[in-house]
Amino acid sequence: GDSVTQTEGLVTVTEGLPVKLNCTYQTTYLTIAFFWYVQYLNEAPQVLLKSSTDNKRTEHQGFHATLHKSSSSFHLQKSSAQLSDSALYYCALSEGNMGYKLTFGTGTSLLVDP
Amino acid sequence: EAGVTQSPRYAVLQEGQAVSFWCDPISGHDTLYWYQQPRDQGPQLLVYFRDEAVIDNSQLPSDRFSAVRPKGTNSTLKIQSAKQGDTATYLCASSFAGGYYAEQFFGPGTRLTVL
Repeated sequence: GDSVTQTEGLVTVTEGLPVKLNCTYQTTYLTIAFFWYVQYLNEAPQVLLKSSTDNKRTEHQGFHATLHKSSSSFHLQKSSAQLSDSALYYCALSEGNMGYKLTFGTGTSLLVDP
Repeated sequence: EAGVTQSPRYAVLQEGQAVSFWCDPISGHDTLYWYQQPRDQGPQLLVYFRDEAVIDNSQLPSDRFSAVRPKGTNSTLKIQSAKQGDTATYLCASSFAGGYYAEQFFGPGTRLTVL
């Protein structure tokens, strides 16, 4: 079956420095979409970014990600981390065969220090 | 526009007790999902509906879990005879049928603790 891997459980970065959260996947399907969800403390997960186009950069709220099917990756990056970015981040895969089923990674906690 | 609402927000019960979770999706969203999120893990799909029909319940422990969406709007997830291993946050999400690229909007979840 499909799987999504987020290798870091916790990423700590100093405010103003760049940050990168890793996400890789395994699937046998060609029609796929990827989502980055962010979950703030005691809140529901919400979509931060999404993409289904290979090698096209997508951006939102200062974050960006590019789906690379050649390396099965959809890493999340930001050039300058803010204190308000501290949250739990999930990468999730959706594939066309199953319609609407999302497969989530285990999540990465981002902590931005002043 | 109101988001996805869930109740209760918290539940604590003893093993063997039953519990029900209720979800009200975003108005107009025809697809509804229930996820289980154990502590320190990502959400895992239990079941999802298109209108009132179950589309996929392959991950639902059918001997103790059941889910319904009788009128294609609100939904109830029930656990009969809860076990400690059921301790998790139960998330409801909804989307408008738009293919695999449709965003799922999540509710705040119900945090269940089984003692």
